[in-house]
Order: sequence, then C-alpha cells, then structure tokens
Amino acid sequence: SVLLYQKPNRDICQSGTSLKIQCVADSQVVSMFWYQQFQEQSLMLMATANEGSEATYESGFTKDKFPISRPNLTFSTLTVNNARPGDSSIYFCSSRGQTAETLYFGSGTRLTVL
Amino acid sequence: GEQVEQRPPHLSVREGDSAVITCTYTDPNSYYFFWYKQEPGASLQLLMKVFSSTEINEGQGFTVLLNKKDKRLSLNLTAAHPGDSAAYFCAVLNSNNRIFFGDGTQLVVKP
Repeated sequence: SVLLYQKPNRDICQSGTSLKIQCVADSQVVSMFWYQQFQEQSLMLMATANEGSEATYESGFTKDKFPISRPNLTFSTLTVNNARPGDSSIYFCSSRGQTAETLYFGSGTRLTVL
Repeated sequence: GEQVEQRPPHLSVREGDSAVITCTYTDPNSYYFFWYKQEPGASLQLLMKVFSSTEINEGQGFTVLLNKKDKRLSLNLTAAHPGDSAAYFCAVLNSNNRIFFGDGTQLVVKP
C-alpha cells in the first residue's frame, strides 16, 4: 500500500485568494491524482501528475485555475487560484500502489471559500 | 468514455438486515474493480478489489460479486450493523488506465 499525507486538513479562505495543498507519499509513486469531492457526492478526477511533466487535466479543470506541480516521485502540490465559493469542497490526492491497480487516498483537504 | 452507474443513492436498513449496492459500467475492457467506504469527515478506505471474470469475494461481513458479462458489480453487507453506516463507492479501472467512481450510496443502518 501507499500512505499519502496531505496538508492542510482544512482551510478557509476569502474569494479571490489562492491556496496550496500539499501531498507527500511514503514511497516513490509514478502517478499522483487529484480528486474533488463535493459534500456527499462522487469523486471527480481533476488531473494526473507525473514527475517532471505537465499535469494532464480532465474536462472542466484547467491548469490556470488548478496548477499542479510534481517535482519528484513523492511530492505534489495542488493550487487553487482565484478561489470562489463554488470551489468549496474536499480535495484528495491519490496514488496507485505497487501493483499499479489499487488507488490509495490521502486524508483530504476540506476547503471553504467565503 | 466509461460511465459508472451506482444504485441506490440512499439506503436505510435495520440492524441485522442485508444491504445490497450495485454498480454497472459501460467499458467492456474494464479490468479491475473496487469498493470503497467513506465515513463522515474521513477519507476513502478500500474494502475490496476484484478482477476475475466472475468472482465472489468475501470480506468481514460483506460479499462482493463481479459479473463481467453483465458489466455489473455488487456489494452485499450480509448482516449490517450501525458501524456500517457510511458512504460506499464503487470504482472501475478501465482500458485507458483511469479509475472512474460511481456516484456513491449513503447507507444508514438503524439499531
């Protein structure tokens, strides 16, 4: 399995500001994924981040709004730019295990945008 | 692309009853399937993964059935207890190597 540590656990910010969410894995992983979950709803894949290359974004998510960095095989950051109340949700980083099938999740970051 | 449909969205059962959640998917080349449990305010916890064409896997208090012919995956909690109250999500790893989630089922088990 892979352990993923995410911080902060929670954040409250004002509209128009930016915030960063960090994710650290306890072992090297090829891909990290970022998911968005609105309360009691499904998880939406935002982007896939591989080391040393630009993240690949899913429909509805853009690099300008949600830039992602992946500087090495254990670390990734997700930034929420120009935050809006509609961005209020939980953000999870995730990664596959050694068998490359199972998806493991970080503890999540609950974001509230006022 | 892959579409994963999960039913029911909400399920309420009495303690000791069984609870069945079902997912169907569209990509016939999907090859790995998962059930996750999410308690309120918590992250997702892997319950079970299955991959054979037709497979029944038993965990602690639940059974997972996969039927690839029908493209159907189900989770059966055999004798639910209040501690099972949570959101449950199925997930499918498809031929494009991406994982798609169902919309989730909010399960409430009443004493």
